[in-house]
Amino acid sequence: ELKVEQNPLFLSMQEGKNYTIYCNYSTTSDRLYWYRQDPGKSLESLFVLLSNGAVKQEGRLMASLDTKARLSTLHITAAVHDLSATYFCAANFGNEKLTFGTGTRLTIIP
Amino acid sequence: NAGVTQTPKFRVLKTGQSMTLLCAQDMNHEYMYWYRQDPGMGLRLIHYSVGEGTTAKGEVPDGYNVSRLKKQNFLLGLESAAPSQTSVYFCASSLWGPNTEAFFGQGTRLTVV
Repeated sequence: ELKVEQNPLFLSMQEGKNYTIYCNYSTTSDRLYWYRQDPGKSLESLFVLLSNGAVKQEGRLMASLDTKARLSTLHITAAVHDLSATYFCAANFGNEKLTFGTGTRLTIIP
Repeated sequence: NAGVTQTPKFRVLKTGQSMTLLCAQDMNHEYMYWYRQDPGMGLRLIHYSVGEGTTAKGEVPDGYNVSRLKKQNFLLGLESAAPSQTSVYFCASSLWGPNTEAFFGQGTRLTVV
């Protein structure tokens, strides 16, 4: 079965702290995407990871990919309130579709 | 830049009614998708299209139909709405499929009572 699992599903963290969101996928994937969704809004593309060991960073967010472990991580450094959102990972399993994880709802507490 | 536009943004239907959701993109993308988003379930693919005149089933196609008569438009139809179809619906498009970035519309919140 083609599956993408994220954990945790919910995450509350204090401003200034670091944390990591995990994305596991069930079989070989061509590429891995990370998206952000603000409440009541659409999805915005954050990163695309193409190969084993790929690392992308923008601001306080850093995404990485380990294809051997079938694992991608989204690391948040020194969280700020503006990062509160739901984060999705999505994988392509060599077919015509993206398979999404269930999402991680991140709340940054002052 | 319009990108991907969905119409309507909100709708309330009675059980058994029909409706069509419209998705329009102005980026000349080949691939278009319809997803539904439900709490705790992420995004699930309903139907998709790899080009004008084509459609294919996704994970959860039952109760929905689609058409792609023009490259820029992808219509999602509910012939006889059911409460289980209460959801937020997102349309997306990408240039050449999942190996190219997908752009999403703003969503349609549908309630079936």
